[in-house]
Amino acid sequence: QVQLVQSGPEVKKPGSSVKVSCKASGGTVSSYTITWVRQAPGQGLEWMGRIIPVVGITNYVQKFQGRVTITADESTGTAYMELSSLIPKDTAVYYCATDSDNSFESWGQGTLVTVSS
Amino acid sequence: QSALTQPASVSGSPGQSVTISCTGSSSDVGSYNLVSWYQQHPGKAPKLLIYEVTKRPSGVSNRFSGSKSGNTASLTLSGLQAEDEADYYCCSYAGSSTHVVFGGGTKLTVL
Repeated sequence: QVQLVQSGPEVKKPGSSVKVSCKASGGTVSSYTITWVRQAPGQGLEWMGRIIPVVGITNYVQKFQGRVTITADESTGTAYMELSSLIPKDTAVYYCATDSDNSFESWGQGTLVTVSS
Repeated sequence: QSALTQPASVSGSPGQSVTISCTGSSSDVGSYNLVSWYQQHPGKAPKLLIYEVTKRPSGVSNRFSGSKSGNTASLTLSGLQAEDEADYYCCSYAGSSTHVVFGGGTKLTVL
């Protein structure tokens, strides 16, 4: 089972962007579909989107269309999730996970993104 | 408001069984056998318990089982143990437009 390691916590100003990375340990993210899920403090899980690196396809939830970009760098075996035009309600823990037919088996440790002026 | 509806909380005593429901619609749970369940302990990443409605990943206890009837999926935990106390989330594929929806989560308390 692949292990996913995410980048560290971020503090961002409203209106700025954040880019969170997700690297596979013992493999490469290019071999997997990678999904991104976020969880606001005290709230439930929210699916944001996914990337299928081998074919370069991305899917995004409509709510984040235009604000979120998910990419994968095959040379480094790393997936990225960039969220722009940040608002305080974007404060959350962001997770990457491997995605196999819409079930998410291996998860990263999560990255806390705090949006505050 | 989540797309899938779960009870906010359930409880049970050690050794008992509890069932958590997950009600969706004909656009998600009712149309696809792609329902999964996750367990999340405080401060931890979610853990996959059930996928494709009834299947358990390797290493997941057979005390966890899944089922579906119509637009409602269910997770049953048998032989409750103290370590089962956690939040549980259901998830379903919802077609090529919406893609994936989660339930709002259920807090399980072991009395």
